[in-house]
Amino acid sequence: TQLLEQSPQFLSIQEGENLTVYCNSSSVFSSLQWYRQEPGEGPVLLVTVVTGGEVKKLKRLTFQFGDARKDSSLHITAAQPGDTGLYLCAGVFSWGKLQFGAGTQVVVTP
Amino acid sequence: DAGITQSPRYKITETGRQVTLMCHQTWSHSYMFWYRQDLGHGLRLIYYSAAADITDKGEVPDGYVVSRSKTENFPLTLESATRSQTSVYFCASSGRQGTGTGVEKLFFGSGTQLSVL
Repeated sequence: TQLLEQSPQFLSIQEGENLTVYCNSSSVFSSLQWYRQEPGEGPVLLVTVVTGGEVKKLKRLTFQFGDARKDSSLHITAAQPGDTGLYLCAGVFSWGKLQFGAGTQVVVTP
Repeated sequence: DAGITQSPRYKITETGRQVTLMCHQTWSHSYMFWYRQDLGHGLRLIYYSAAADITDKGEVPDGYVVSRSKTENFPLTLESATRSQTSVYFCASSGRQGTGTGVEKLFFGSGTQLSVL
């Protein structure tokens, strides 16, 4: 059972466009993390959001944690080819046990 | 270089054979993890370890064995490989004993791509 649903599964856009990736669950998390994974490599942590309603910005990336701490979104403004990768959300239930979503593959073409 | 390394990078084996995947970290992190990544399933936790000689099952432990005699090493063994164990395996480590507030950061290795024929 996939507790964390990510949508869309695949996103292909042109350089300069905006995109949003969603991460939804029926469970409440103590926090939520977003990772980016490039081909042939392990995931790399981008951000952790802890408080319901929290918004964090990382350059052109904006992360939001839902008020009820069940969902999150990642918005990329003016996407660049370097943003290409697999974006994974992970809900934290307790220390060391993260529940990962299946991921959203983002492709940004020049 | 400091970090977390996995070996081998690629492995092809046959059904029924024993296979061991290696993981080594140089940070002296307390916590180490094994995940498998399959299309449509994301990353699923196989086993984890809070310290040397302390291990516990994750979400999908069946068919796998782990050990942790030293803090820096956390090998994963498939005792009798099956085709369903074809996957990409990731080892990760974390230095913080968190309180569940979500400030823990996992550092992942580059993965081992395992094919069981």
